[in-house]
Amino acid sequence: GAVVSQHPSRVICKSGTSVKIECRSLDFQATTMFWYRQFPKQSLMLMATSNEGSKATYEQGVEKDKFLINHASLTLSTLTVTSAHPEDSSFYICSAILQAKNEQFFGPGTRLTVL
Amino acid sequence: AQSVTQLGSHVSVSEGALVLLRCNYSSSVPPYLFWYVQYPNQGLQLLLKYTTGATLVKGINGFEAEFKKSETSFHLTKPSAHMSDAAEYFCAVTLSGNTPLVFGKGTRLSVIA
Repeated sequence: GAVVSQHPSRVICKSGTSVKIECRSLDFQATTMFWYRQFPKQSLMLMATSNEGSKATYEQGVEKDKFLINHASLTLSTLTVTSAHPEDSSFYICSAILQAKNEQFFGPGTRLTVL
Repeated sequence: AQSVTQLGSHVSVSEGALVLLRCNYSSSVPPYLFWYVQYPNQGLQLLLKYTTGATLVKGINGFEAEFKKSETSFHLTKPSAHMSDAAEYFCAVTLSGNTPLVFGKGTRLSVIA
């Protein structure tokens, strides 16, 4: 149990296009999900907190108009990178909170490459 | 604010030797502490975690870590390294099970035959 999936696992897009990344909790409901970003050979940094039914909370330095987060259901949060540029190329990882266990579970990550 | 310091960005050990990866944390409240492993181009795999209770925590693949409050440390050890242990290891801290993790910068473990 407590499986989190991400789709797609890899995406390559042209500069200026938008890309949507999905994070799903497959066997539990998650009112809270987190989005992290990992640049090559660096650590993971929290980008934003996604709350079901309300606006996401963004970390300092993360542009909310560029990284659109929608948490429309208890099992799905989406991250849309709008007008992507090469500097947005990164590994994006989500996690979902299983309240009953007071624990978070990570998705497998999505590698975004912007050409 | 919480923070994690991993001493040594790269550690190299011989196969069969002791693995010791160091992690020190800063937290104003009793922390939840984690070790994750990441293989190239893959996601995170939880090795072990400390929340409360016994300070010596055993994880998967023969790894263990000890929470030492007086030293604000949570070092990861394994008695005998295998080639398959070569990967990136991240220490992380958080306040509870439903708050975001703060990660260290990672330590790359190389295992030499």
